[in-house]
Amino acid sequence: AQKITQTQPGMFVQEKEAVTLDCTYDTSDPSYGLFWYKQPSSGEMIFLIYQGSYDQQNATEGRYSLNFQKARKSANLVISASQLGDSAMYFCAMRDPDMRFGAGTRLTVKP
Amino acid sequence: GAGVSQSPSNKVTEKGKDVELRCDPISGHTALYWYRQSLGQGLEFLIYFQGNSAPDKSGLPSDRFSAERTGGSVSTLTIQRTQQEDSAVYLCASSLAAGGYEQYFGPGTRLTVT
Repeated sequence: AQKITQTQPGMFVQEKEAVTLDCTYDTSDPSYGLFWYKQPSSGEMIFLIYQGSYDQQNATEGRYSLNFQKARKSANLVISASQLGDSAMYFCAMRDPDMRFGAGTRLTVKP
Repeated sequence: GAGVSQSPSNKVTEKGKDVELRCDPISGHTALYWYRQSLGQGLEFLIYFQGNSAPDKSGLPSDRFSAERTGGSVSTLTIQRTQQEDSAVYLCASSLAAGGYEQYFGPGTRLTVT
């Protein structure tokens, strides 16, 4: 069964604008963690942000924030003030405790 | 400090041969993961080691795949009797422990089965 769903295979955003990348998940475990990773064309996986299922506040890391809606089982990534260097694949992942990744969203930032 | 390293970076092998892929995690990291990423696809979980616990092998696609972790550090992923569908990038990651800890990924091994 699919545990992590990213419904946007590709997204475009204008430089300096904000963009939201969607992620929904499915688990019956009350304790889980949600992650977002960035994979540029060079191939390395770069950790961006983490949200624990018991965290009361949405996680933020610089220009990245995670819009955590527990009841809806969604963990969308918001990137503010997009930069050209943000163009990459973005993967949502969940640990419950197995680690599962979504299929990814390719973000392209337009100048 | 040193990150996660993997070797070889590229491996070309003939169908039916066995291959071994190596991962050196970050020193002190007790959790180690193997993933497979086919071209243009997401990451497929393969196996997970946590300390001295029995590994979680639930993601291994067939009995041709196996992995070991010696001394709680270096790990080797072995693929026996390789098939063309095994061609992918194999990524290793380590983290301080299980739970909500960031995973640090290695550069991957690109395996091509001809």
